[in-house]
Amino acid sequence: SAVISQKPSRDICQRGTSLTIQCQVDSQVTMMFWYRQQPGQSLTLIATANQGSEATYESGFVIDKFPISRPNLTFSTLTVSNMSPEDSSIYLCSVVSYSYGRSDTQYFGPGTRLTVL
Amino acid sequence: QQPVQSPQAVILREGEDAVINCSSSKALYSVHWYRQKHGEAPVFLMILLKGGEQKGHEKISASFNEKKQQSSLYLTASQLSYSGTYFCGTLWREAAGNKLTFGGGTRVLVKP
Repeated sequence: SAVISQKPSRDICQRGTSLTIQCQVDSQVTMMFWYRQQPGQSLTLIATANQGSEATYESGFVIDKFPISRPNLTFSTLTVSNMSPEDSSIYLCSVVSYSYGRSDTQYFGPGTRLTVL
Repeated sequence: QQPVQSPQAVILREGEDAVINCSSSKALYSVHWYRQKHGEAPVFLMILLKGGEQKGHEKISASFNEKKQQSSLYLTASQLSYSGTYFCGTLWREAAGNKLTFGGGTRVLVKP
């Protein structure tokens, strides 16, 4: 399994500002995902971040609001831009350790708890 | 079109059994089960790849009925440590890559 760390672990931000969340993995991984989990809710996929290509966003999420970088195989960032209170959530990065096909396991980072005032 | 989990919540006494169901409206390639404790990241439990396959982790096991497009998670002789929210993540046959779609979750509380 992969060991994943995220920074910051939590933050309280003002409306209209932006926050960049970092995700670091202890091994090289092909696929990284960014999820949002609103309080008491399930996990919603924001985008898939593959190294060397543009991130692929899910319906309802756009690059201007959630720009993603994936500069190498162990690191990614997600920026939450022009924040509003509705962006208050836990943001989790997730990785697939191996690329042996579609049966690979996804592992989650500890999450970043964001509160927007 | 997230998979539907039932029940939404269950309260158990230590030692009791419970079943959590996960149903999909689309054909499935695999089903992944996770448990999340409050304030923590989801933790991988098991993955089911083939129709009819059953897997187990200690006294937690699961089955996958490909035809019915559903999976069930069995908590047997539950322990206090089983408390948490259980999520199924489904990988649809038609989906590209490894994108999982998660169900709404089932909250499990095991009491002494």
